[in-house]
Order: sequence, then C-alpha cells, then structure tokens
Amino acid sequence: AQKVTQAQTEISVVEKEDVTLDCVYETRDTTYYLFWYKQPPSGELVFLIRRNSFDEQNEISGRYSWNFQKSTSSFNFTITASQVVDSAVYFCALSESTSGTYKYIFGTGTRLKVLA
Amino acid sequence: GAVVSQHPSRVICKSGTSVKIECRSLDFQATTMFWYRQFPKKSLMLMATSNEGSKATYEQGVEKDKFLINHASLTLSTLTVTSAHPEDSSFYICSARDLIRGGDTGELFFGEGSRLTVL
Repeated sequence: AQKVTQAQTEISVVEKEDVTLDCVYETRDTTYYLFWYKQPPSGELVFLIRRNSFDEQNEISGRYSWNFQKSTSSFNFTITASQVVDSAVYFCALSESTSGTYKYIFGTGTRLKVLA
Repeated sequence: GAVVSQHPSRVICKSGTSVKIECRSLDFQATTMFWYRQFPKKSLMLMATSNEGSKATYEQGVEKDKFLINHASLTLSTLTVTSAHPEDSSFYICSARDLIRGGDTGELFFGEGSRLTVL
C-alpha cells in the first residue's frame, strides 16, 4: 500500500543553520509523483516542488534543494542557511494513479522552527 | 496567483447549525475536486472526492450525511457540515486538478483553507 513517512515530527534550528527534512515513501507503481508543500501558520499550502519517478536528478532552487533516491525510496528536502521565515510545517506527498484515478497521500508533516 | 479559492476562510457557528464552504476553480474547469480535513498539528486527511454531476465518493469513516458535498458546476464544489458539533471544528481544504497546468502528474491545486470553529 502507498504510504509517506516523515519521521521527524518537529525540528528546531538556529538561523543560518542548514536543515534536512526527511521523506520516505512506499508505492507499488512505477509511475508516480512526489511533492513538497510548505504550510505556514496561516494554513494555506504552498507548493515547493514536484518530481516524477523517472527523474532522479537532484534539484536546487535558491536555498532549497531536494535529493531524490529511488533506491532508498526517499525524497529529502534541505534548506540551506535557514531563516526565521522558513518556520512552517512541511509536507511531503505522493501522487500515484490507481486505476486511472490519482490520489494524494500526505506524510504527517515536519514542523520546522527556525530561531533567531 | 491562486487558481483555487475557498470561502469563507474562517467561520464560527453554534452547535447544531449547518455551515457551507465553497470551493471554486478560478480559471479552469474541474470535473473532480477533493476535500481534506486537517486537525490541529496533524496531517491532511482526504475526506471525499467531489465529482461534477454525480455523487461524491467518500473515504472510509467519513459520514456522508454529516458532510454533504455538491459539485453542481465545473468550477464549484460545496461542502456542508450539517448539524455541526464542536468535534467538527477543524481546518478544511479543498483542491482541484488542472490538467493543463499540472499535466498528467496528478498535481493538485489547493484552496486557502477554511477554519471552522463550532461553539
């Protein structure tokens, strides 16, 4: 069965530190998509990245970077030189097609606190 | 800018009343919309899949008569929490799939969420 695990419930770092948020997934499909979302205190979900199962190339966007490793079913997210504004809950999600219907499976989220 | 809009963003109601939350796709047609519920400090749980012109598909454990979903047009789905009780207090988020923006990735576009407080 499909599943997304974010083992880190809460992480606290001091500003300017690097931090990595872990995401491990389970799926039987060969075609699937992985996502990361940020949820600030206001509640809306902010899309960060989408990655398909055939593209294992790591990606960097400013201070954000993602490491996708199919061999370990992981899609980890690193924030470099963290800032207070990065404080939020971060969700990893898996989208796969089951009989033609896509379903999103969310991880339990990791609450990141960046202290000044 | 936002492609999915929810209204109201916050609502407080008395126990026993019904509350309607609207979810609109702003510039695309959405034959399918999804309703999620999020308890404080918890993850998003899929409640139901809203299908335009037909009945919604509810996830196991979600009461159909409690959470009425209507998807009357290609741009609007509504969630009505009937006879609300304090335990229904939660953050409700809708989402939709834009096949043009998201292609065949299954990517969902989320509304801003609606925070319901039942007194």
